[in-house]
Amino acid sequence: GAVVSQHPSRVICKSGTSVKIECRSLDFQATTMFWYRQFPKKSLMLMATSNEGSKATYEQGVEKDKFLINHASLTLSTLTVTSAHPEDSSFYICSAYWNEQFFGPGTRLTVL
Amino acid sequence: GNSVTQMEGPVTLSEEAFLTINCTYTATGYPSLFWYVQYPGEGLQLLLKATKADDKGSNKGFEATYRKETTSFHLEKGSVQVSDSAVYFCALGQGGSEKLVFGKGTKLTVNP
Repeated sequence: GAVVSQHPSRVICKSGTSVKIECRSLDFQATTMFWYRQFPKKSLMLMATSNEGSKATYEQGVEKDKFLINHASLTLSTLTVTSAHPEDSSFYICSAYWNEQFFGPGTRLTVL
Repeated sequence: GNSVTQMEGPVTLSEEAFLTINCTYTATGYPSLFWYVQYPGEGLQLLLKATKADDKGSNKGFEATYRKETTSFHLEKGSVQVSDSAVYFCALGQGGSEKLVFGKGTKLTVNP
């Protein structure tokens, strides 16, 4: 089946620094990738839709200047959390669309 | 806007018990409906889906029927196994790239 990877799986950073998370579709090309944030005991919240070669579309309430998304190729999308704060600590999940959404394993971000 | 409501867990069952996880939705138009499963330490995987009213999705012994009259897509399995222990998410999707809206997830634990 289609495989989506995320790197890193876990990251700890200091407040004020930036963190980049990569999402790769390993065996298929995805024109559309999605970024989600998962809160404890809550649903996955869609943050943005990333289309290859164009600007990402952000959901209402998501700060586009804080969560920078770059979809540079058909197999890679990156999410950069800029000037991270402890409230950005969360589980971030990406998915890549190819007839259906295939999900990455997620990245646990902890901001100290 | 679109939303999904699913029964909150956790749900604990004995092996071979009958499982029902309720899911109802609110949406304009005719969404597709999905159940995703997240095993411990893994990403979300599509379990089953239905794209129109009265469709039944099925996989690995799980079933769900798209009921437009009750706006529901309840997940059922006749005899659960320990290996079914996971978190189950109900979701709806609309649009060409199937932008998804998720329920909060239901954690299922099956004891031997």
